[in-house]
Amino acid sequence: DGGITQSPKYLFRKEGQNVTLSCEQNLNHDAMYWYRQDPGQGLRLIYYSQIVNDFQKGDIAEGYSVSREKKESFPLTVTSAQKNPTAFYLCATRQGGSYEQYFGPGTRLTVT
Amino acid sequence: GIQVEQSPPDLILQEGANSTLRCNFSDSVNNLQWFHQNPWGQLINLFYIPSGTKQNGRLSATTVATERYSLLYISSSQTTDSGVYFCAVGIPGGGADGLTFGKGTHLIIQP
Repeated sequence: DGGITQSPKYLFRKEGQNVTLSCEQNLNHDAMYWYRQDPGQGLRLIYYSQIVNDFQKGDIAEGYSVSREKKESFPLTVTSAQKNPTAFYLCATRQGGSYEQYFGPGTRLTVT
Repeated sequence: GIQVEQSPPDLILQEGANSTLRCNFSDSVNNLQWFHQNPWGQLINLFYIPSGTKQNGRLSATTVATERYSLLYISSSQTTDSGVYFCAVGIPGGGADGLTFGKGTHLIIQP
């Protein structure tokens, strides 16, 4: 089954804990992205990676970290430094040579 | 950074009606995508349309890049068309390689 998978679908954590969200793709796409969506809002870019072992900060990177050790995987860690971590997190991919992005199903993170 | 404004913010229609959603953007773009976000949060790609006109069934889209706007047309609406429609743009040259989203149009189709 081809596509973008994000796990888990729902995640609950206590304040002060770091949490890692998974994003895996088998589309052989070069670029991967993490976005955050708050209720009633559009998506905002957290981090992106155009190639393995390289990634760049987006508009709201503070309190987040990423790694890109494999082409297929781009995990996002929400650290305790993120002041408002409760949100819907979406991962996206893009094939090299194209601008069009495709999105995974998302992970809803609740921190209490 | 680039600004993306969508209108109207909310739209309630009866099944069978037609609708037009608008997206204005403040700078030149090399990417413009329309998405439908379903009730489960999944973003479904509708169109990749940085310029020109495309049609897919009951949906069509037009982007006039020189005037910095795009329109999404939905004809003969069905209840399954309900959800939030987002316009998102990417800019050429330097800066973050990502999409800037509008706040969306929340569409409700009533039976």
